[in-house]
Amino acid sequence: AQKVTQAQTEISVVEKEDVTLDCVYETRDTTYYLFWYKQPPSGELVFLIRRNSFDEQNEISGRYSWNFQKSTSSFNFTITASQVVDSAVYFCALSEAAIRGGSNYKLTFGKGTLLTVNP
Amino acid sequence: NAGVTQTPKFRVLKTGQSMTLLCAQDMNHEYMYWYRQDPGMGLRLIHYSVGEGTTAKGEVPDGYNVSRLKKQNFLLGLESAAPSQTSVYFCASREAGGTYNEQFFGPGTRLTVL
Repeated sequence: AQKVTQAQTEISVVEKEDVTLDCVYETRDTTYYLFWYKQPPSGELVFLIRRNSFDEQNEISGRYSWNFQKSTSSFNFTITASQVVDSAVYFCALSEAAIRGGSNYKLTFGKGTLLTVNP
Repeated sequence: NAGVTQTPKFRVLKTGQSMTLLCAQDMNHEYMYWYRQDPGMGLRLIHYSVGEGTTAKGEVPDGYNVSRLKKQNFLLGLESAAPSQTSVYFCASREAGGTYNEQFFGPGTRLTVL
């Protein structure tokens, strides 16, 4: 069975601080996909990034960066110089790869981390 | 393109009432999903569909039924609503194949069962 753990339920920082959101996953698949989604106070889910299990390169997109380490089954997300607009719930998710007889690519979500950035 | 839309946005039901949530997507996606989001629980998969005319159970299917009569629509039904079904419901869709593809989510439906 797949599992995603986001141990940090809530994090509060002051604007311009760097913050890292942790994500640890469990899967028996050798091929899998990891995602981060953002849920701002308005409630919609916004896709941020995807990573497949064969690509351990870290990625940077503006103030966002992601650190994927297969050895520790972690896919952590760092926001540099945080801003008030970064306040949201952030979800890490794991997608299973093709299964025998077909693929469904359903997502297993962590419970989310509520990030509050104070001015 | 509207992407993924959900109807209604809000609904209040009394215990035992029935209702149907509609999800529509205009991206010609094969796969569609229904999730529920509860405080502190993240999103959990209720049912999903890998193509028109197909449906399958997810993690928490009890109390719900679904239908995918048309490729662009995925309906979630509650036959006899219970307070435990108070939640925010999200629909999502994705393209077939391309295992790297992300799911696109609708704006959500907030359902309260009294």
